[in-house]
Amino acid sequence: AQTVTQSQPEMSVQEAETVTLSCTYDTSESDYYLFWYKQPPSRQMILVIRQEAYKQQNATENRFSVNFQKAAKSFSLKISDSQLGDAAMYFCAYRRLGGGSEKLVFGKGTKLTVNP
Amino acid sequence: DSGVTQTPKHLITATGQRVTLRCSPRSGDLSVYWYQQSLDQGLQFLIQYYNGEERAKGNILERFSAQQFPDLHSELNLSSLELGDSALYFCASSVRTGDGDTQYFGPGTRLTVL
Repeated sequence: AQTVTQSQPEMSVQEAETVTLSCTYDTSESDYYLFWYKQPPSRQMILVIRQEAYKQQNATENRFSVNFQKAAKSFSLKISDSQLGDAAMYFCAYRRLGGGSEKLVFGKGTKLTVNP
Repeated sequence: DSGVTQTPKHLITATGQRVTLRCSPRSGDLSVYWYQQSLDQGLQFLIQYYNGEERAKGNILERFSAQQFPDLHSELNLSSLELGDSALYFCASSVRTGDGDTQYFGPGTRLTVL
C-alpha cells in the first residue's frame, strides 16, 4: 500500500521569506501523480500544485514550486515570498495512475505559520 | 470556490442516529469521492463513484453507505452513529476516471455526534 509521510508537523516562516515543506512517499508504481493541498482555517481543501511522475520538470505555480526527486521518492514544496495568507495546513497527496481506484492518499500534514 | 457544493455545513446529532450528507459535483464532473478527516485518522478515503457506479471502496464502515444519482449528485449515509464518527466529511469531484484528473474539494460537512 502506498504511504505518504510529512515529517514536519509544524513549520514557521517570516513574511517575504522562503520555506520548504517536506514530503516522502512509498510506492511500487512507476506512474502516479503527486499533489500539494492547502487547508486554511476555513477548512476548505485547496489545490496548490500537481506533479505528474513521468514529467522530469518540476511543477511551478506562481510563488509555489516543487522539488520532485523520483528515485528518492521525495516531493517537497517551496513557497517563495511567503504571505500571511499562506498560513495553513499543507497536505501532500499521492494518487496512482489508472488501474482501479483514483483515491488520494494523504500525509498527516504540516502546519505552516507565517510571522509578520 | 471549487464549484463542489456540500450540504449541510454543520450537523449535530446523537449517538445511534442516522444522517445523510449531500454533495453536488462540479458541472461536468463524473467522479465523486468521499473523504473523512478526523484528528486521529487524518484524511482518509471512503468511497468513489463514477457516473452512478461504485468504483472503489476505502476505509468505509459497514454502517456507512453512499450512492450517486442520475443527476450525478451523491449522498453519504451514516447510520448507528458513534462518538468516533465525529469528523469533517469532504466530497471531491473530478472530470473522469483513470486519467489523473485533479480532485476538487467541497467545503465539507462537519458532523458532531453527542
